[in-house]
Amino acid sequence: KQEVTQIPAALSVPEGENLVLNCSFTDSAIYNLQWFRQDPGKGLTSLLLIQSSQREQTSGRLNASLDKSSGRSTLYIAASQPGDSATYLCAVPTNAGGTSYGKLTFGQGTILTVHP
Amino acid sequence: EAQVTQNPRYLITVTGKKLTVTCSQNMNHEYMSWYRQDPGLGLRQIYYSMNVEVTDKGDVPEGYKVSRKEKRNFPLILESPSPNQTSLYFCASTRWQGAPGTEAFFGQGTRLTVV
Repeated sequence: KQEVTQIPAALSVPEGENLVLNCSFTDSAIYNLQWFRQDPGKGLTSLLLIQSSQREQTSGRLNASLDKSSGRSTLYIAASQPGDSATYLCAVPTNAGGTSYGKLTFGQGTILTVHP
Repeated sequence: EAQVTQNPRYLITVTGKKLTVTCSQNMNHEYMSWYRQDPGLGLRQIYYSMNVEVTDKGDVPEGYKVSRKEKRNFPLILESPSPNQTSLYFCASTRWQGAPGTEAFFGQGTRLTVV
């Protein structure tokens, strides 16, 4: 059974810092990994989708890396801003018999606070 | 614009009063699912559908029903809501058939309170 862990559970940084959020998964046979952002009580916004054949994916100040063999992904946020404050979740699709199903297994999330 | 739309966004109801949360997607996706999010438990899948008229249980299906009569719509039905179904609910869709590894899209969420 796939398990996804995110470290740290919470992070508080001053504005302008570069930071790294970590995600690890137990079953390395994944097709992709997706990072989401969730504002308090709100929906999930997809940030980055990184395919299993990719090692990195970038969008603006965000960069996600994937190391399938070690079961790890990192989300790097450059020059953090107060508007980046949110919960960040990583998720991987469930594999069953070599088929990528639509079910996602989520980590518990990292609560990020960027203070001015 | 690619969208998953849920309604209502907020709902307060009483125990036992049947309710339906609607979900619609405009991306012609085959796969749709419902999740609930609870503090300390994270996101858990309730039901999913791989295509029209094809639905199956997820990890926490008790107390819920779904239907998939059209490709774009996937309503979640609570026939007799109970307080332990108070939660934040999300509908999601993804292209599935012949396209592993595609992006999942989520709705804005429905905050349900059962008193």
